[in-house]
Amino acid sequence: AQKVTQAQTEISVVEKEDVTLDCVYETRDTTYYLFWYKQPPSGELVFLIRRNSFDEQNEISGRYSWNFQKSTSSFNFTITASQVVDSAVYFCALSEGMDSSYKLIFGSGTRLLVRP
Amino acid sequence: EPEVTQTPSHQVTQMGQEVILRCVPISNHLYFYWYRQILGQKVEFLVSFYNNEISEKSEIFDDQFSVERPDGSNFTLKIRSTKLEDSAMYFCASSGGLVTDTQYFGPGTRLTVL
Repeated sequence: AQKVTQAQTEISVVEKEDVTLDCVYETRDTTYYLFWYKQPPSGELVFLIRRNSFDEQNEISGRYSWNFQKSTSSFNFTITASQVVDSAVYFCALSEGMDSSYKLIFGSGTRLLVRP
Repeated sequence: EPEVTQTPSHQVTQMGQEVILRCVPISNHLYFYWYRQILGQKVEFLVSFYNNEISEKSEIFDDQFSVERPDGSNFTLKIRSTKLEDSAMYFCASSGGLVTDTQYFGPGTRLTVL
């Protein structure tokens, strides 16, 4: 069965520290998609990044970087030089499906608290 | 930048009452989804909708739930007879021309059942 595990329930860092959020997934499909979403205290879900199963190239966007490794079924997210505004719950999600539905399966989320 | 909108932002209702949660997906999107998040928990899939019919539904989406796209813009979730355990944040999402396109979420409707 498809599953996403975010083992870190809560992480607390001091501003400017680097932090890595872990995500491990399980799937039987060879074609799937991985996502990270951010949920700030206001509650909305903000799309951060998407990765296809056939593209293992790591990606950097400003202070954010993602490390996708199929060999370990992991899709980890690193924030460099964290800021207070990064405080949020971060969800990793797996998408797979069929012709007319590609539902998202979410992990339980990691709450990140960045202290000034 | 186009975005998904949801109304109301917060709905309070009495147990047993019917509620309708409304969503306006991004205008050229074809695939629509509802998810829910019980306070402090993970986001869970409820139902997907394409070409005016349900594509997939979860075990949570029982006979008390229904979805509809009554016109070219709105996408609604109806709960016929609310229970206390329906209290949650309900998120609408839409994705574009391909089923594998990224889903963009609305701001959510917080439903409180008393």
